[in-house]
Amino acid sequence: ELKVEQNPLFLSMQEGKNYTIYCNYSTTSDRLYWYRQDPGKSLESLFVLLSNGAVKQEGRLMASLDTKARLSTLHITAAVHDLSATYFCAVDMSGANSKLTFGKGITLSVRP
Amino acid sequence: DTGVSQNPRHKITKRGQNVTFRCDPISEHNRLYWYRQTLGQGPEFLTYFQNEAQLEKSRLLSDRFSAERPKGSFSTLEIQRTEQGDSAMYLCASSFGDRGLIGNEQFFGPGTRLTVL
Repeated sequence: ELKVEQNPLFLSMQEGKNYTIYCNYSTTSDRLYWYRQDPGKSLESLFVLLSNGAVKQEGRLMASLDTKARLSTLHITAAVHDLSATYFCAVDMSGANSKLTFGKGITLSVRP
Repeated sequence: DTGVSQNPRHKITKRGQNVTFRCDPISEHNRLYWYRQTLGQGPEFLTYFQNEAQLEKSRLLSDRFSAERPKGSFSTLEIQRTEQGDSAMYLCASSFGDRGLIGNEQFFGPGTRLTVL
């Protein structure tokens, strides 16, 4: 069964501290995407990771992909309130560059 | 605004009624996707089109659901004889398709929230 697992599902973060969240997937893929969703809103594309060892950074967020371990990490540096949202990873396991299989999402809440 | 647009944004209907949603993708994109998201879950794939051809349908897409993209531009998703279990956010996304090293980044619309009473 194709599975994308994210953990933890909820993370309360203290402002200014660093955190890492994880995305595991069950079958071979070298195409992984991270999205952000604010409450009641649609999904905003954050990162596209297309090969083993890929690393992308945008502001306080850095995403990486280890295709051998079937693992992606999203590292948060010096958390700020604006990062409070739900973060989804999605994997293209179709082999056809088409549909995405999403995890359940990780809800991040940054407290002062 | 050159993003993906969806209409209506909200739809409340009674069980047994038919509903239709529309999606207008980013104009240069040849692929269009429909996903469904329920509370506390990630989006689940329903179907996708490359131009006007429907290339894949999920087993989630029962025979009460039909999607079209007649001219390879906008798409419609119709649900017949709605059930309470159909209540969800219906998301449309579009992409260029296979761009090799660039991947297949999908851009999502604002969604249509369906409530079936």
